[in-house]
Amino acid sequence: DAGVIQSPRHEVTEMGQEVTLRCKPISGHNSLFWYRQTMMRGLELLIYFNNNVPIDDSGMPEDRFSAKMPNASFSTLKIQPSEPRDSAVYFCASSSNGGRSEQFFGPGTRLTVL
Amino acid sequence: GENVEQHPSTLSVQEGDSAVIKCTYSDSASNYFPWYKQELGKGPQLIIDIRSNVGEKKDQRIAVTLNKTAKHFSLHITETQPEDSAVYFCAAAYSGGGADGLTFGKGTHLIIQP
Repeated sequence: DAGVIQSPRHEVTEMGQEVTLRCKPISGHNSLFWYRQTMMRGLELLIYFNNNVPIDDSGMPEDRFSAKMPNASFSTLKIQPSEPRDSAVYFCASSSNGGRSEQFFGPGTRLTVL
Repeated sequence: GENVEQHPSTLSVQEGDSAVIKCTYSDSASNYFPWYKQELGKGPQLIIDIRSNVGEKKDQRIAVTLNKTAKHFSLHITETQPEDSAVYFCAAAYSGGGADGLTFGKGTHLIIQP
């Protein structure tokens, strides 16, 4: 299995631009999670989906952030408009049985907003 | 919500010695406690986990203990090796119905001195 795939691996953009991060979970996994990692705040859960349905988005910082999962093999995290404080590494993870089983993390997308 | 505290933030040990990392959690409903290892430039990877119906679990040089009454759990690594150098995260989750995200500690940077 290829594992969780994220793209792009690095993204540099200017403040105010729209940013879209992509994730392909492991085939057969029914839960998908988006996390953000910064030095100051560590690893934070942004949103998770179960069977393509958003279950909890209470971690999404503000309305500029949105996430979708149109099918079992694809999810996006969008920031519009982006701000310098959004600079972080964004991880996508998937699991076969929600919180009851191991979450497999992708390699992350390093986002820099200038 | 859940709050996870992790100590120490940095731990330096001589190769061959043992390392212990400690975490506390706040939500007594949490029942799943994984430990993740993160190497530079990579996503976190599960190394061991424990559920609340078990007090201790071992996997070769790695062990985790859980004290539900005190709401703390610890990671023990024996006979440390250079490849153990990484950042280690503890986490807690309530694995009830549906998918649940993880609340992570701030991480421990483990340095193995040759």
